[in-house]
Amino acid sequence: KAGVTQTPRYLIKTRGQQVTLSCSPISGHRSVSWYQQTPGQGLQFLFEYFSETQRNKGNFPGRFSGRQFSNSRSEMNVSTLELGDSALYLCASSLAAGTSYEQYFGPGTRLTVT
Amino acid sequence: QQQVKQSPQSLIVQKGGISIINCAYENTAFDYFPWYQQFPGKGPALLIAIRPDVSEKKEGRFTISFNKSAKQFSLHIMDSQPGDSATYFCAATNAGNMLTFGGGTRLMVKP
Repeated sequence: KAGVTQTPRYLIKTRGQQVTLSCSPISGHRSVSWYQQTPGQGLQFLFEYFSETQRNKGNFPGRFSGRQFSNSRSEMNVSTLELGDSALYLCASSLAAGTSYEQYFGPGTRLTVT
Repeated sequence: QQQVKQSPQSLIVQKGGISIINCAYENTAFDYFPWYQQFPGKGPALLIAIRPDVSEKKEGRFTISFNKSAKQFSLHIMDSQPGDSATYFCAATNAGNMLTFGGGTRLMVKP
């Protein structure tokens, strides 16, 4: 079974621009979560989507948003990029939501904001 | 409080030795505690997980010990190998898939 795939793997953007990252979960998995990983703040939860609905949201500004499609694929968007948004953005998929299921991470998208 | 505190930040172990990484939490509502292993350039990979109704769980060379009263849990890697050199993260959640991670431990196993 294929793992979680994320595209693109690397991205360079300029301050003020916006960016969209994509995640395809493991086949059969319906929950997708997004995390930000930085050397300073570590791994931080952004949001979780299940059945095209946001279930949980972390403590990030409104510039960070996401959505999920009917095939469980998910996208996250960051608008008005800031230098501090440079990070590895990780997507994780699990079977369902509502209780704690095993989450499997993708390789991440490395975003650099200049 | 949603924090999970992990120690040590870095660890050097000789090949064949035991690696021990500790985590402490404050939120007694946490009900799922996974450990992840991350190699450079890769996403975290689920290693092993435990729920608070169990005090220990073993999978191969990896063991989680869980102390509910002390609000602590630890990862033991037996017979550590150079291939185990990676960064390890503990995590916890009481809200389904919304994981709170520890700060990570960089493990180096010397041959």
